[in-house]
This record gives sequence, C-alpha cells and structure tokens, in this order.
Amino acid sequence: DVKVTQSSRYLVKRTGEKVFLECVQDMDHENMFWYRQDPGLGLRLIYFSYDVKMKEKGDIPEGYSVSREKKERFSLILESASTNQTSMYLCASAEHGSGNTIYFGEGSWLTVV
Amino acid sequence: SQQGEEDPQALSIQEGENATMNCSYKTSINNLQWYRQNSGRGLVHLILIRSNEREKHSGRLRVTLDTSKKSSSLLITASRAADTASYFCATDWNNDMRFGAGTRLTVKP
Repeated sequence: DVKVTQSSRYLVKRTGEKVFLECVQDMDHENMFWYRQDPGLGLRLIYFSYDVKMKEKGDIPEGYSVSREKKERFSLILESASTNQTSMYLCASAEHGSGNTIYFGEGSWLTVV
Repeated sequence: SQQGEEDPQALSIQEGENATMNCSYKTSINNLQWYRQNSGRGLVHLILIRSNEREKHSGRLRVTLDTSKKSSSLLITASRAADTASYFCATDWNNDMRFGAGTRLTVKP
C-alpha cells in the first residue's frame, strides 16, 4: 500500500515561531503537494513539487515555503507562524502525469496561539 | 483557485437510501476524480472518470460526467452508516489538480 506519512498529527505553536511540517512517501512518486483545509473552503494548494529541488507555488503560498531535498520527503515551513495559519495541513503524493490518483497523508492539525 | 463546487454542501439521508452529490467546474479538464474524507483524516481516492467518458461504476458508486455542462455527479446506492463522510470532486487539467469544498454526507442508521 502507498503510504504518505506526516510526522506530526497535532501541533500547538506560538505566534512568530518557525514551524516545520514533514511529509514522507514510500512510492517513489515524482509529485508531492501541500494543501491547507479550512471549513467551507475545501482544500487549497499551497505548494507542489514535481522533482527534487523543484517547487511551484499553488494558490496560497504567502507565509509558507517548502523544501524537497530528497524525492521521498517534502517539507512545509511556516517562517513566522501567525494565528491565521491555524488549520489542517494535508500532504499528498502522486505519480507524474495526468489521471493519477493522489495519495494523502492523515493530516496535521496546527494551532497557532 | 478552487475549481470544483460540490452541491449540496450537506446531505442527510437514512440508511438504504441513495445519495447523489453534484460537482460543477469552470474550465477544461483531462479527468475528474472523487475522493472521500472521514472526519479529521486524509482523503481517499474513490473513482476517476476521464473527459471522454460519460459514466463509470465501481461497486455501489456511479459517476457521471457531462463536459458540455461542466458537471459531474456521484451516486452512492443503498447507503450505509459507514458512508458518512465528506466527499470531494477534484478536477485535473494538465497535472493541475483542484478540489472543491466538499459535500458532507450523513447516513442515519
């Protein structure tokens, strides 16, 4: 089975802290994604990566950065956490190409206080 | 930006009834996928329909696609309490996947 693992299920951070959300996939997928999910807004794409060291901005990249140093790992970084970044963050991976299933992690619930 | 829009936002039915959820989108697509999300968990892929297909079945799921109306529907037949979840459509255009806000389905035993 494909597995996408998000390192932290629940986090509580203070305003201004630097936050790292880690994601690892075990299927050698080229594409990896970070989404943010808020009630009534569905999933919004923050960043995606189609190869090592490559990244593309999604719809809401402001306040976030990403790192992909290895194919299996895609990290989301909140440089200076703010309360409006309290949300559920979902990592996903897929093979490159159209029509492929996206596999999601279980999500990371981040609360910024 | 969000591509698909699901309708209704919430749906409550009795066990055994059929549940129909709709998705409308605005631009061209290569394919459209439906995903399910149990409360507080990640999304799980249910079914994919390509832009040149009109209908697809998988178990109790039936998906239709009307590209002229830019809409899709997901039908779950003989629903069970375990079908209670949120359902999302995702449109794919040249590797760019976009999700809607989802339909929250509640199936009462």
